[in-house]
Amino acid sequence: EVQLVQSGGDLVQPGGSLRLSCAASGFTFSSYWMNWVRQAPGKGLEWVASIKADGNGTYYRNSVEGRFAISRDNAKNSLYLQMNSLRADDTAVYYCARNIGYETFDSWGQGAQVTVSS
Amino acid sequence: QSALTQPPSASGSPGQSVTISCTGASSDYVSWYQQLPGKAPKLMIYEVNKRPSGVPDRFSGFKSDNTASLTVSGLQAEDEADYYCSSFPGLFGGGTKLTVL
Repeated sequence: EVQLVQSGGDLVQPGGSLRLSCAASGFTFSSYWMNWVRQAPGKGLEWVASIKADGNGTYYRNSVEGRFAISRDNAKNSLYLQMNSLRADDTAVYYCARNIGYETFDSWGQGAQVTVSS
Repeated sequence: QSALTQPPSASGSPGQSVTISCTGASSDYVSWYQQLPGKAPKLMIYEVNKRPSGVPDRFSGFKSDNTASLTVSGLQAEDEADYYCSSFPGLFGGGTKLTVL
């Protein structure tokens, strides 16, 4: 069974940093692109970042480029999102998700709440 | 990054069919996700009209020009949820709240 288990959500002050983790099991992690998708309170889904299966290629939405970094450790079957210079509008539930094709996210983590507030 | 446009709400009675539109989808890579309250999204349709294993055939997808659509036939109470379309590159619609009357 494919499982994505997330950790790392927290309350952080504006300008602060946080790292989210996503532990994968039940599939060959190193064969799949992985992603982070977020959902602000009462709002819709928003793609945040993607990383190629071998880690040699990362992509970001404009609003997080230069502040967030997606990475992976295929030996540990883990995906990460390092978030720096956090702003109030980064407040959201963050989901990790597996790609099986363009914009086809077939498995999702349980979500991690990130709240940016003083 | 342009947005995909969905109606904010849709509704139907049990047994009826309801269709949700998604305009601005220029790619043939269109997916639909169902999200129950407090839960992670679930993939319902991908590549316009393909269903993952385990998704009932009451759910179907279609696309004409730049408008994709999701049809739920034989509505059931358990179908009440938010539905999101997505399309390459990295776009999501604003979501449609489906109410089963």
